[in-house]
Amino acid sequence: DADVTQTPRNRITKTGKRIMLECSQTKGHDRMYWYRQDPGLGLRLIYYSFDVKDINKGEISDGYSVSRQAQAKFSLSLESAIPNQTALYFCATSGSDRSPQETQYFGPGTRLLVL
Amino acid sequence: GENVEQHPSTLSVQEGDSAVIKCTYSDSASNYFPWYKQELGKRPQLIIDIRSNVGEKKDQRIAVTLNKTAKHFSLHITETQPEDSAVYFCAANPGGSYIPTFGRGTSLIVHP
Repeated sequence: DADVTQTPRNRITKTGKRIMLECSQTKGHDRMYWYRQDPGLGLRLIYYSFDVKDINKGEISDGYSVSRQAQAKFSLSLESAIPNQTALYFCATSGSDRSPQETQYFGPGTRLLVL
Repeated sequence: GENVEQHPSTLSVQEGDSAVIKCTYSDSASNYFPWYKQELGKRPQLIIDIRSNVGEKKDQRIAVTLNKTAKHFSLHITETQPEDSAVYFCAANPGGSYIPTFGRGTSLIVHP
């Protein structure tokens, strides 16, 4: 869905570096999420935010932090990257008026490699 | 919290055959059950969903069934085509929650 975008799409970094993944949406949704996808492990929730002043940890938040800069922007940071954070990261939104409120709309993903 | 188990992890079928993917959930309060399809290199996208007040829902070649008593739901794809090849994720949302719990995914391969 072109209404949810992520930058960068691919990133290679070194152990110990701080990096930021960015997500923007033009869908007007209040709820935003960050997931990581690993082969065989599905989609695991890192953080979620239901509005600009609301930030909540998901099941695997250790080593990550987030910032909700505006309704449309939700960034994920890795404070000190480590190799086991190598994964595919997805941003998602929900809160549509035209479909079930629970439906998740995903961004295109960011493929991160930590060396 | 909710726990969703999905089986099988890999499913290989011949074109034209049917495919069935099953998920079980643990939280009896869950009331929304979506299915997402993720094609290779693409983002997951919703293909069908069902609420707990409905036992079955169809959309052309795909259908979802729900058994609340047994706490399981299934995705059925009939007359499979090569373009159905993808990873399929089930999920469950506890009542009133906007936080889905996803299954681990099923890689469906449809051989021409």
